[in-house]
Amino acid sequence: AQRVTQPEKLLSVFKGAPVELKCNYSYSGSPELFWYVQYSRQRLQLLLRHISRESIKGFTADLNKGETSFHLKKPFAQEEDSAMYYCALGGDSGGSNYKLTFGKGTLLTVNP
Amino acid sequence: KAGVTQTPRYLIKTRGQQVTLSCSPISGHRSVSWYQQTPGQGLQFLFEYFSETQRNKGNFPGRFSGRQFSNSRSEMNVSTLELGDSALYLCASSSQGAEYEKLFFGSGTQLSVL
Repeated sequence: AQRVTQPEKLLSVFKGAPVELKCNYSYSGSPELFWYVQYSRQRLQLLLRHISRESIKGFTADLNKGETSFHLKKPFAQEEDSAMYYCALGGDSGGSNYKLTFGKGTLLTVNP
Repeated sequence: KAGVTQTPRYLIKTRGQQVTLSCSPISGHRSVSWYQQTPGQGLQFLFEYFSETQRNKGNFPGRFSGRQFSNSRSEMNVSTLELGDSALYLCASSSQGAEYEKLFFGSGTQLSVL
């Protein structure tokens, strides 16, 4: 069964500090991993996906298959990064993206 | 392009009633997924439709059903409502529902069951 764990419900950092949001997954196949973000009063939206190896808004995430992790990192947090972050795992036995399994989310607060 | 549109935005129902929620995907998108969001369980997958066919279903009771029309619009129905069905129901669309595709989410329908 697919499972995504985000161990921190809340994370608070100061502006300019590094931030790391943790995500661990359980999946027997080849994982497809995503980070989605929901800013206050906005829709849930894709932040980044592991297959693209991209950096969005200064955030990066590296898939570590040995540790089954996909942690989200940013070297210098900004106040506008305050939001709810969800790690998501795609795929079932057929390797499709028809279904995403979400973690329960981490609420990041960046203090001035 | 207009985003994913969900109607109504809010619904209040009583136990035992049934409810129908609507989702219009982004123009050209053929895959529509539904998710239930609650404070306790987070986001949970309900089902996904593509070209009027249900391709995948989550672990929800049979009271939860859905369908997709030829124009890709989708509806989900919950019969015999229970208090625990109170949640934000999110719809998401993508072009093909394929691997690595980006999902575009609607604003959701907030359902309250009294």
